[in-house]
Amino acid sequence: SAVISQKPSRDICQRGTSLTIQCQVDSQVTMMFWYRQQPGQSLTLIATANQGSEATYESGFVIDKFPISRPNLTFSTLTVSNMSPEDSSIYLCSVLRTGHTEAFFGQGTRLTVV
Amino acid sequence: GQQLNQSPQSMFIQEGEDVSMNCTSSSIFNTWLWYKQDPGEGPVLLIALYKAGELTSNGRLTAQFGITRKDSFLNISASIPSDVGIYFCAGQYTNAGKSTFGDGTTLTVKP
Repeated sequence: SAVISQKPSRDICQRGTSLTIQCQVDSQVTMMFWYRQQPGQSLTLIATANQGSEATYESGFVIDKFPISRPNLTFSTLTVSNMSPEDSSIYLCSVLRTGHTEAFFGQGTRLTVV
Repeated sequence: GQQLNQSPQSMFIQEGEDVSMNCTSSSIFNTWLWYKQDPGEGPVLLIALYKAGELTSNGRLTAQFGITRKDSFLNISASIPSDVGIYFCAGQYTNAGKSTFGDGTTLTVKP
């Protein structure tokens, strides 16, 4: 499996501010995704991070709130903008290796907005 | 969109007992995945299923891809305390890698 590093692992942020989460993979992967897991809930796909182009967002998620970058095959960032307490969640990076259909996850970023 | 119903929501069992959990969907999937999530960690892939009817084992874990392609189950035999965690099923319809997740089954194992 790919080694996926997410930074930061956790953070406490003031409402109205923004946080950028980084995801670094140790090998080239075809697909990178960002998921949100609200407290006690399941995982919900935010968007697919596309290399060198705009991310593809799922229903209910918009670029202005969750801008995503993927400058190369092994790195992506997710920004949570203008945060409110409702954004308190675990944010997870997920990757698909070439020739595989099963996704692997990073350890997640636990975000608390106060 | 596609929805997964995972049951049971939670289970409290004695060490050594067998466990069974399942997922059903309103629509078909081409791939079923089972993950385990420990507190403070991301989900870890346990078993991947690619064909209807497929039965796959990983140690004490066994999972099956339902014939209708709308359901899957996961069995854990002879449970041990480290089996504690949240188990998620996930389905994929296309090869695009996007997964739809069930709500999870929280497993507690009493020594």
